[in-house]
Amino acid sequence: AQSVTQLDSQVPVFEEAPVELRCNYSSSVSVYLFWYVQYPNQGLQLLLKYLSGSTLVKGINGFEAEFNKSQTSFHLRKPSVHISDTAEYFCAVSEGLTGGGNKLTFGTGTQLKVEL
Amino acid sequence: GAGVSQSPSNKVTEKGKDVELRCDPISGHTALYWYRQSLGQGLEFLIYFQGNSAPDKSGLPSDRFSAERTGGSVSTLTIQRTQQEDSAVYLCASSSRIEDTQYFGPGTRLTVL
Repeated sequence: AQSVTQLDSQVPVFEEAPVELRCNYSSSVSVYLFWYVQYPNQGLQLLLKYLSGSTLVKGINGFEAEFNKSQTSFHLRKPSVHISDTAEYFCAVSEGLTGGGNKLTFGTGTQLKVEL
Repeated sequence: GAGVSQSPSNKVTEKGKDVELRCDPISGHTALYWYRQSLGQGLEFLIYFQGNSAPDKSGLPSDRFSAERTGGSVSTLTIQRTQQEDSAVYLCASSSRIEDTQYFGPGTRLTVL
């Protein structure tokens, strides 16, 4: 079985400051890793994903994440946040094809609040 | 192009009633997923369809929950004899292949009184 831990339920940050949202996972097999963003009253939108290859993944809206296999982490970063980044962020993992489908296991989410 | 659509956007029902939630995936997507988002349980997988293969029902919380996918396209999630703990946002996602990105719909907010 796989699981995802997002240690911070809320992260307040000032506009133009850098931010890191933490994600750790556990799995007995190789995994695919994802970050999704959910704006109020909207569905989930993919920010970025790691399937294989380079461990530094760049996504939309200036976000990036680094896969660290030894630490089983996939932290999300942005060097300078904007008010419009205020949203809830979900880290997710799947076992891909080895898991018989790409069903996602989500973390509990991190609410990013960007303040002026 | 058109994304994943879900209907209704909101559904209020009385305890014990049956409800049907609909998902229209992106045209041509062969994989379809249902998830549930609730305050107590977070985001959790319910069921997954891939082409003509038997669905993966491993996430369904009870036998009151069922889903079907007709013609490899539209899917309906049915909850029988609804309970208050079924109140949640039900999200549908589709992808073009198993390993591809899942695109989510806006969800159906179900409230069981």
